[in-house]
Amino acid sequence: GAVVSQHPSRVICKSGTSVKIECRSLDFQATTMFWYRQFPKQSLMLMATSNEGSKATYEQGVEKDKFLINHASLTLSTLTVTSAHPEDSSFYICSATPYQGYEQYFGPGTRLTVT
Amino acid sequence: SQQGEEDPQALSIQEGENATMNCSYKTSINNLQWYRQNSGRGLVHLILIRSNEREKHSGRLRVTLDTSKKSSSLLITASRAADTASYFCATAQGEGGKLIFGQGTELSVKP
Repeated sequence: GAVVSQHPSRVICKSGTSVKIECRSLDFQATTMFWYRQFPKQSLMLMATSNEGSKATYEQGVEKDKFLINHASLTLSTLTVTSAHPEDSSFYICSATPYQGYEQYFGPGTRLTVT
Repeated sequence: SQQGEEDPQALSIQEGENATMNCSYKTSINNLQWYRQNSGRGLVHLILIRSNEREKHSGRLRVTLDTSKKSSSLLITASRAADTASYFCATAQGEGGKLIFGQGTELSVKP
C-alpha cells in the first residue's frame, strides 16, 4: 500500500522560532498534498492544499504568511510554522494523493509543542 | 463551520456489542470515507462509499449512505477492545477532492 512519512514525529521549540515539518510519499508520486491541524480531542481541520510546482491554496482563516507550504517535488511537501507561538502547539498531519479526487494517504502526524 | 456533525460524540459499550456512529454533512459530495484514529496517532482508512452507493461492507464494518438526508452511519459488529479509538467521517468535495472531517466519535469498548 501507499506510504506517507512525516518528519519529525515530535518537535519542541521555543516561542518565536520557526519549525519545518516534512511530508514524503515513499512509493508513489503525489501531485497533491494536504495539510491538516488537529487540536486535542478535536477533529482534523484542513489548512491547505498544495499541488506540485504551484502555490498552495489555503483554507479560510489560515495565515499563509505564518504557515509556509512548499511542494517542491512530487514526493515532498514541507510546512514551516514561522514565529511559532504556544497556540500553534498542535498535531499536524499531512496526506498525499497521486491525483486529485483519488484516495488520500495519511502520514503519521507531527506533534508540535511550542514553549 | 466546514465540518459535519457526528453523533454520538462518545460511545461506551461492552465487548461483543455492536457500535453505531452517525455522520451528517452539509454539501453535495463525491464520496464519504470513514477513518479510525488511535490516541495520538495517525489516521487509518476504513472504508469509502461513493455518492451513488447506498451500503458497503468490509469485514465487521457496515456503512450506509443516504444522500437525500445527507447522512451516513458506520456499524461495527461484534466489537473488540482493540476497536477502542476515535472514528471520523470525511466527505470528499469538489474536483480537488479535499476532505472535510466530521467532529468524530470516541468509542470505548470495555473487555
